[in-house]
Amino acid sequence: EPEVTQTPSHQVTQMGQEVILRCVPISNHLYFYWYRQILGQKVEFLVSFYNNEISEKSEIFDDQFSVERPDGSNFTLKIRSTKLEDSAMYFCASSEDHGGVKLFFGSGTQLSVL
Amino acid sequence: GESVGLHLPTLSVQEGDNSIINCAYSNSASDYFIWYKQESGKGPQFIIDIRSNMDKRQGQRVTVLLNKTVKHLSLQIAATQPGDSAVYFCAENILSASKIIFGSGTRLSIRP
Repeated sequence: EPEVTQTPSHQVTQMGQEVILRCVPISNHLYFYWYRQILGQKVEFLVSFYNNEISEKSEIFDDQFSVERPDGSNFTLKIRSTKLEDSAMYFCASSEDHGGVKLFFGSGTQLSVL
Repeated sequence: GESVGLHLPTLSVQEGDNSIINCAYSNSASDYFIWYKQESGKGPQFIIDIRSNMDKRQGQRVTVLLNKTVKHLSLQIAATQPGDSAVYFCAENILSASKIIFGSGTRLSIRP
């Protein structure tokens, strides 16, 4: 069964450093998402992406965040200058349906900012 | 603001019994309501959805009920198995918004 893959599974960084989280969505999907989950809390929407443009973004997704689909397979989330409060599990997801009801999630990247 | 939330943070059921997980919502504009399951160390996994103009939908061992009068959503799992142990999230979707919003999770644990 096709799946969304994320790398790395764990990322440790110093505050103020840039990080790039990588995702390979399911190949025939056209809609891509990033969510994050702080330990023990709910899954929070960050951004949705379609046709090389951001479709929707949350208040969390400020100027420090950016997304990119650099080629036909990868979808990346960049945090330019990490803060302690960026520590969370970051999930990439993709879907084939417009509107994003049935999302397929990766296993996540645990980001720890020290 | 957040409009999807769950009544109880934890639920413990006997293996083989039916489980019922409840959720309240406040946004009447949602087009779909969805249930996701999250096992330890994994991302959320889609279980079932229901369009806002329906009141019941059945899947394999799962049934979702939607009561728009009281803005209540429930997930029923028949003959609960150890593999059903997970955190269950209800979520809502407005198709034009291109996103789903998750509520707080309910942890389902199974007693042998």
